Amino acid sequence: AQRVTQPEKLLSVFKGAPVELKCNYSYSGSPELFWYVQYSRQRLQLLLRHISRESIKGFTADLNKGETSFHLKKPFAQEEDSAMYYCALLYGGATNKLIFGTGTLLAVQP
Amino acid sequence: SQTIHQWPATLVQPVGSPLSLECTVEGTSNPNLYWYRQAAGRGLQLLFYSVGIGQISSEVPQNLSASRPQDRQFILSSKKLLLSDSGFYLCAWKLDYGYTFGSGTRLTVV
Repeated sequence: AQRVTQPEKLLSVFKGAPVELKCNYSYSGSPELFWYVQYSRQRLQLLLRHISRESIKGFTADLNKGETSFHLKKPFAQEEDSAMYYCALLYGGATNKLIFGTGTLLAVQP
Repeated sequence: SQTIHQWPATLVQPVGSPLSLECTVEGTSNPNLYWYRQAAGRGLQLLFYSVGIGQISSEVPQNLSASRPQDRQFILSSKKLLLSDSGFYLCAWKLDYGYTFGSGTRLTVV
């Protein structure tokens, strides 16, 4: 069965430090993976998806099929990056269901 | 434009009372729609999805039900709420680039 694992509930870093939010997945098919972000008092929104291979707000994520990982990285954290981050996997063919990890709260200290 | 609306934003209901949460989308036809519940420390759990009018699939056994009376309307209901139904409920819509989420409903059952 499909599964998404985010091992860290909380990641606290100082401003300017590098950030890596870990995500591992389990899926028998070809994975389509996403990172969603939820800032305080805002709705959940798409940050990036692996098939677009783009960088949003300085964040990047590379799909590593060998390690079944999709870690989110940013070289220099900013205070405004503080938020809840969810890794998600699309599955179910035409039904397009999304399974989420449990999320990682990123806290960037000044 | 493509938008998703969800209401109410917050709701406090007594145990045993009925529930109706509504989600509507604009700017599309025949969308895939989803209800998720976000519980503390457990991430987002898919409850129901619908690929068309009157078509509802349930992902987990529970005290809730869903209906899709119109193409762009998705309703989450319960006949009798339980304490365990408390949580944050999110409606979502699958677009070409990923999901977009409603602003959510914070339900507290007392």
